[in-house]
Formats: sequence, C-alpha cells, structure tokens
Amino acid sequence: KAGVTQTPRYLIKTRGQQVTLSCSPISGHRSVSWYQQTPGQGLQFLFEYFSETQRNKGNFPGRFSGRQFSNSRSEMNVSTLELGDSALYLCASSLAATAQETQYFGPGTRLLVL
Amino acid sequence: AQSVAQPEDQVNVAEGNPLTVKCTYSVSGNPYLFWYVQYPNRGLQFLLKYITGDNLVKGSYGFEAEFNKSQTSFHLKKPSALVSDSALYFCAVRERNNFNKFYFGSGTKLNVKP
Repeated sequence: KAGVTQTPRYLIKTRGQQVTLSCSPISGHRSVSWYQQTPGQGLQFLFEYFSETQRNKGNFPGRFSGRQFSNSRSEMNVSTLELGDSALYLCASSLAATAQETQYFGPGTRLLVL
Repeated sequence: AQSVAQPEDQVNVAEGNPLTVKCTYSVSGNPYLFWYVQYPNRGLQFLLKYITGDNLVKGSYGFEAEFNKSQTSFHLKKPSALVSDSALYFCAVRERNNFNKFYFGSGTKLNVKP
C-alpha cells in the first residue's frame, strides 16, 4: 500500500504570497491531520479533517485553512505568508479518528518564506 | 498543563551497545503512548505504541519501549544500536478519549558511532 504523499516537497515563496499544500492519505484512511514543525516550536497541531469535516483546529491564525475532498485528499492553504511560516508541514492520516489509532506521516512539504 | 518531556536533547551511543531514549509525560487519564522516528528531510515514521496490556511493547527495527505507569514514563530501548539508527526520535502521547489531544515531545537526537 502506498504511504502518505505530499506535494510539493519543497516550496519557496515571498512574504505576502499565498500557498496551497496537498496531501493524499493512505488508501482507505479517512482522517487527515496537519502539523507544523519548526526547530523552535517543535511539532504543532494545525487541524484535522474527517469525512470532509474539520473536527478540530489548533492555535493558529485564520490565515491557515484547509479542506478535505470526498476522496479524503486534503489541502492546506496559508494566505499572506510571513517569514515565521517557514517550516516543515507534515500531513498524517489514519484509518479512523479514534485515540488509539496510529497516524502515519507523509514526508512533508518544506516551505521557505523569503 | 498536559505535557511530554524528553529530557535529553541528544543521546550518544557506540554501535553494538544498548540504547535508551527517555520519555516522561503528564497527561491525565491513562493515555495512549507512541514513538516515532524522523530521518533528515523525512516525515515521522511510526515505531510502536502502547495501548494496554504488557508493559513491554515491541516495535519496528528491533526497538521496544517500556511503559511504567507509576513513573509515567515510556522509554524507548534497543539491545544493540546500529549506525543506521541515528535519527531524531519523538515520543507522543494522546488522551484516551480525545483523538486530537496529541502531544509531542521536543525530540531526542540519537547519534550512534561506529
């Protein structure tokens, strides 16, 4: 079975631009979560989608948004980019959204904001 | 506040020697416990998890972890380290009744020297 895939793998943008990141979960997985990883803050939860509904959101400004499609693929959008948005953005999928489920992570999209 | 602590930023061990990467947590209600590994420029890779039962959990690549309820610890171990085990290791803890309350440690860099 193919793992979680994320595109693009690397991205360079300038301040003020917007960016869309894509995540394809493992086949059959319906829950997709997004995380931001930075050296200073570590791994921080952004939001989680299940069956096209956002079920929870982390403590990030409204510039960060996402959506999930009927095939469980998910996109994350960041508008009005700031230098501090430079990070590795990780997507994780799981079969269901129960606490004991294992989340499987994609390779990430490394975003650099100049 | 709920938290996960990995007290060592870095662990150095010689190849062939046993290794331990420490994790303690302060999360209420008998949480579920996970270990992930991250290689450079890659996403997080699942190693093992504790749900219930035997306190010694066996996982991928010869890793195991020991759950200690009284000490609220979940240390990762391997009897004989390999150079290829060198990577960043994350402990993660999820509240038993809340999929989205998933707390990550700050990570421990494991260096295995030949």
